[in-house]
Amino acid sequence: DGGITQSPKYLFRKEGQNVTLSCEQNLNHDAMYWYRQDPGQGLRLIYYSQIVNDFQKGDIAEGYSVSREKKESFPLTVTSAQKNPTAFYLCASSTDRVVTGELFFGEGSRLTVL
Amino acid sequence: RKEVEQDPGPFNVPEGATVAFNCTYSNSASQSFFWYRQDCRKEPKLLMSVYSSGNEDGRFTAQLNRASQYISLLIRDSKLSDSATYLCAVNKFYFGSGTKLNVKP
Repeated sequence: DGGITQSPKYLFRKEGQNVTLSCEQNLNHDAMYWYRQDPGQGLRLIYYSQIVNDFQKGDIAEGYSVSREKKESFPLTVTSAQKNPTAFYLCASSTDRVVTGELFFGEGSRLTVL
Repeated sequence: RKEVEQDPGPFNVPEGATVAFNCTYSNSASQSFFWYRQDCRKEPKLLMSVYSSGNEDGRFTAQLNRASQYISLLIRDSKLSDSATYLCAVNKFYFGSGTKLNVKP
């Protein structure tokens, strides 16, 4: 089945540790995105990539880093510089590189920093 | 000012009721609009795209009002299974905080 796989689903880490969240898609989509969702809030864009080896900052990129070495993969690293990393992280992909077009989401990764 | 704003609700309605949500956006140059459904602790899933001419999918109708910069979602004959949070999205970058719908027997 085609889709987006995020791992791990749940992750607990101590303060000060870097964490990498995995996102893999087999939909052959060019564009991939990372969002963060806090309780009772909408999604906020962290980073996006419209093509391999290229990515752009979203509204809340500080304390995060990404890479896009392969079309299928867009991992997100939550660094120790992120002041409040506990959140629900959602990866998405899209056929379109432009701002239009629907998003297909993974099941999300729930990060708790202790 | 937020890019996208929604009434958080909750909207508590009986089965069979008609309910409508609005979502306002601030950027008049926005190009695409969507409604997503999100169940508790799950990922959002596309409910429908919103076109200038409006569009309907079964019990769901979405409309766009560019002059007043809002989109709407109308749900007719509500079912218990419609209980969820409904997120509006503008382009791929901006999401509202969601409107919670509770449909009760």
